[in-house]
Amino acid sequence: QKEVEQDPGPLSVPEGAIVSLNCTYSNSAFQYFMWYRQYSRKGPELLMYTYSSGNKEDGRFTAQVDKSSKYISLFIRDSQPSDSATYLCAINTGGFKTIFGAGTRLFVKA
Amino acid sequence: EPEVTQTPSHQVTQMGQEVILRCVPISNHLYFYWYRQILGQKVEFLVSFYNNEISEKSEIFDDQFSVERPDGSNFTLKIRSTKLEDSAMYFCASSEVGVGDTEAFFGQGTRLTVV
Repeated sequence: QKEVEQDPGPLSVPEGAIVSLNCTYSNSAFQYFMWYRQYSRKGPELLMYTYSSGNKEDGRFTAQVDKSSKYISLFIRDSQPSDSATYLCAINTGGFKTIFGAGTRLFVKA
Repeated sequence: EPEVTQTPSHQVTQMGQEVILRCVPISNHLYFYWYRQILGQKVEFLVSFYNNEISEKSEIFDDQFSVERPDGSNFTLKIRSTKLEDSAMYFCASSEVGVGDTEAFFGQGTRLTVV
């Protein structure tokens, strides 16, 4: 079983739609949950970072963690064409190694 | 805004040659990392470095790889004898404390092409 699983997409939505991106993980020891955005041929950029179960909101972005189900989500409200990118979930046990999901490619059509 | 800078942006090398990829982490950061991303695949952890020593490394980081902080600002990744399968984007990252406690900032990457 893979440590982190993420549907690679692509996911195509119209501008203004609510986007839901998801990952599952296998190890209950994972403690820190991140979402990164990566534009083509660029480095990952941290969007959201959460530690506990529940929701965390930052502008149009909401990160949700359900530790009982080992399920993490990122919601994007009022999606914009500039949100078109690959979204990577990432998980850390509290040590130095971060494990990334495969990334979901998102296209937001104007 | 402070950022992690990497040089060169693109490096082409012949198989068997040594390459050194360079990074300047954010100045007050103490933890440094190298990741790689083979085209079309996921970002993979290679190594973390703190207090002038490796704190954790993955199974990918074998004897062909080494890291160094030669001075107070640079952080390098050396590949001793490159193979075709080393072709990838290599990302340097840094964080104020260990990733579990705070965010890691990534550089723009060096594209390594081994021919």
